[in-house]
Amino acid sequence: GENVEQHPSTLSVQEGDSAVIKCTYSDSASNYFPWYKQELGKRPQLIIDIRSNVGEKKDQRIAVTLNKTAKHFSLHITETQPEDSAVYFCAASINAGNMLTFGGGTRLMVKP
Amino acid sequence: GAVVSQHPSWVICKSGTSVKIECRSLDFQATTMFWYRQFPKQSLMLMATSNEGSKATYEQGVEKDKFLINHASLTLSTLTVTSAHPEDSSFYICSAKLQGPIYEQYFGPGTRLTVT
Repeated sequence: GENVEQHPSTLSVQEGDSAVIKCTYSDSASNYFPWYKQELGKRPQLIIDIRSNVGEKKDQRIAVTLNKTAKHFSLHITETQPEDSAVYFCAASINAGNMLTFGGGTRLMVKP
Repeated sequence: GAVVSQHPSWVICKSGTSVKIECRSLDFQATTMFWYRQFPKQSLMLMATSNEGSKATYEQGVEKDKFLINHASLTLSTLTVTSAHPEDSSFYICSAKLQGPIYEQYFGPGTRLTVT
């Protein structure tokens, strides 16, 4: 089955700096890669996603890049703010609506 | 739109008892729902895929006789933890997808289960 690895497990940045979280996946058939933000005790919130027919996608301060050949994808957050502090999860799935396999999570701390 | 609710939001039960958790899609029909378990400071692990009108598909290592899943309608799936033990204490989260070739899953708010 699919295996998703995520690095780093914790990331501390100064407010205004950029943060980058990286994930690798094992199944070349995976074609959907969402990123979630989860605050303590809350549900995961989709912040951005990318499909395998696209190499990069951007939404304001958040961007995701995908390298299908290397089977890795990354989340980039620019101009970080304290409210960006949370746990971020990457995930992968094969085809629409199939099960998601999650990475181990990254605890992002943005220091004011 | 695309709101998923769970009930209860938290529950405390005694060891050996059973607990039922409900997952509802409030404003859409969900042919497929997923159940995840999340231990403290860990990732979400898929337990089972629930399809309306058919038996759930369980992930390897998840006991289907212990975690009973019923998806009787297009808006409701239930997870029953039978003969709960302290090691079953966890955060249980469901998600649902819209019908058709839609990639996004919508997550419920989760249920915190504590077994004493």
